[in-house]
Amino acid sequence: GAGVSQSPSNKVTEKGKDVELRCDPISGHTALYWYRQRLGQGLEFLIYFQGNSAPDKSGLPSDRFSAERTGESVSTLTIQRTQQEDSAVYLCASSRGLAATYEQYFGPGTRLTVT
Amino acid sequence: GDSVTQMEGPVTLSEEAFLTINCTYTATGYPSLFWYVQYPGEGLQLLLKATKADDKGSNKGFEATYRKETTSFHLEKGSVQVSDSAVYFCAGQAGTALIFGKGTTLSVSS
Repeated sequence: GAGVSQSPSNKVTEKGKDVELRCDPISGHTALYWYRQRLGQGLEFLIYFQGNSAPDKSGLPSDRFSAERTGESVSTLTIQRTQQEDSAVYLCASSRGLAATYEQYFGPGTRLTVT
Repeated sequence: GDSVTQMEGPVTLSEEAFLTINCTYTATGYPSLFWYVQYPGEGLQLLLKATKADDKGSNKGFEATYRKETTSFHLEKGSVQVSDSAVYFCAGQAGTALIFGKGTTLSVSS
């Protein structure tokens, strides 16, 4: 079956512009996560969604970052007024549930470059 | 807060050499522990995991044992191959999200 997909694969934007990143999870996966990987760093948790529950936004670095998910389908991560420090690979993952025993499946990522 | 620390790379080995990549975690409880691998040009994928103390995860010749007394989850392989060249990430999960180490780049030459 299809894995997690993300689009675009690459995005170059000018400082101050808004960007929207998309994630299509594996069908039937109720949990969806966004992570960020800056150059030379590990992955940083940003936000997760579980079904219709309120999302955990505790990892979002500033109020310029927001994310939405409709039901158990597509999610979009929006970064407003982009800054150069936002340059990173943004990874989306989905899983069948939130418990640690459920494997998270990762998408290929979106590489964001802010110039 | 919870954190995962893994040895920094890059690690360069010859084919058939023994591999160890160290990983330790700091957490208030006992998280599930994972090793993820990212092959060149591919997405992150789960290599192995352990959900409780003394569990051993294994896959593709790689092994890691959850050591509660040393809070460690070191990755080992007895004989690496060129195809094992990749970036390896140690991760822990006590709550909802994974907490990752910074990654270790492994290069294996023939």
